[in-house]
Amino acid sequence: DAGVTQSPTHLIKTRGQQVTLRCSPKSGHDTVSWYQQALGQGPQFIFQYYEEEERQRGNFPDRFSGHQFPNYSSELNVNALLLGDSALYLCASSLRPASSGNTIYFGEGSWLTVV
Amino acid sequence: SQQGEEDPQALSIQEGENATMNCSYKTSINNLQWYRQNSGRGLVHLILIRSNEREKHSGRLRVTLDTSKKSSSLLITASRAADTASYFCATDPSQGGKLIFGQGTELSVKP
Repeated sequence: DAGVTQSPTHLIKTRGQQVTLRCSPKSGHDTVSWYQQALGQGPQFIFQYYEEEERQRGNFPDRFSGHQFPNYSSELNVNALLLGDSALYLCASSLRPASSGNTIYFGEGSWLTVV
Repeated sequence: SQQGEEDPQALSIQEGENATMNCSYKTSINNLQWYRQNSGRGLVHLILIRSNEREKHSGRLRVTLDTSKKSSSLLITASRAADTASYFCATDPSQGGKLIFGQGTELSVKP
């Protein structure tokens, strides 16, 4: 049973560029969330997708956008990259927007470096 | 803002010793989850404890929850070098899958 898979694992972009990160949820899961983790910090919630719609959003600017496909996979897009966007981007999946008792599983993350 | 705050921020122990990490949170919760993160890697789910549970065990892990004090603790018994990692608690106050993490406890277990 494949867990949460993310791609790419590492990438380097230049300020002002755009980046797309991809995530496939754990088998059977239909809800995908994205988190940003800066070095030495805990993960910060970006947004959550369920039934191909953004359901919840954290305190991130509109430069951060996403999409969920009919097969439940998801993309995170970041436009006009800033140096401060350098971080580990984590994808998480669960069954339904996780209510009490639903474990949330994470992927290995995508390391983004902006130079 | 951070919901969970772990304490201590860093902990260094010898193999075989027990490691205790604490987490405090601010709002009412339905459950609290603990995760482990090896350096530069993803988060591994360790244990979920519901608000109506006071203690839960999983192998060498023991988690307690005190909702009156809004705190939780994670105990790792007979630690091993492979337990070296950062440990995070996470809560979901909105009950919709939006996890809020603390800054974590960095555990170092020396052989």
